[in-house]
Amino acid sequence: DQQVKQNSPSLSVQEGRISILNCDYTNSMFDYFLWYKKYPAEGPTFLISISSIKDKNEDGRFTVFLNKSAKHLSLHIVPSQPGDSAVYFCAASAWDNQGGKLIFGQGTELSVKP
Amino acid sequence: DGGITQSPKYLFRKEGQNVTLSCEQNLNHDAMYWYRQDPGQGLRLIYYSQIVNDFQKGDIAEGYSVSREKKESFPLTVTSAQKNPTAFYLCASSRGLGQPQHFGDGTRLSIL
Repeated sequence: DQQVKQNSPSLSVQEGRISILNCDYTNSMFDYFLWYKKYPAEGPTFLISISSIKDKNEDGRFTVFLNKSAKHLSLHIVPSQPGDSAVYFCAASAWDNQGGKLIFGQGTELSVKP
Repeated sequence: DGGITQSPKYLFRKEGQNVTLSCEQNLNHDAMYWYRQDPGQGLRLIYYSQIVNDFQKGDIAEGYSVSREKKESFPLTVTSAQKNPTAFYLCASSRGLGQPQHFGDGTRLSIL
């Protein structure tokens, strides 16, 4: 049972344009969401997070949007740069329901073309 | 520089052998985790530890064992009971459960 789903395995975007990565979840108890970025043969690095009491969090070129009613979150990267090419994982946790453990999606591979 | 060190980067195991993957952190984090990543899949939690001398099974603990004798160290043993051990293994730590996790660079385990 996949509680966190990233339905697009890959995404290709032109440099300078917006990249939008999507993530859906099924567990309404999730109250904290994170995005990680991963380069090949390296561990994921934390990018940005959002609490369920917010619907938007912005950090430089990265913005995460949360739509609780749709159980959907998205990561916007504007403007996209070639160095953003990586696999992006969304993750969710529910302190009360799962003791704060992170549940990861399958990942979306972003390719930003010059 | 604080961080998480996983060693070795590549590891080969003969069938029927146990093998131990190392994970050390100097971030003074209480919580540590082991994940497994397979192609086309997200990270799946094997074991986690909230505090020294305590650990809990994750979603796919069968065939694995861990210990947490020191705050800095959380080694993972892949036993011969693990039927499909070939994967990329990632160790992570965080200040506490539910906090953003910091990851090591992983160990790729292959069966000879």
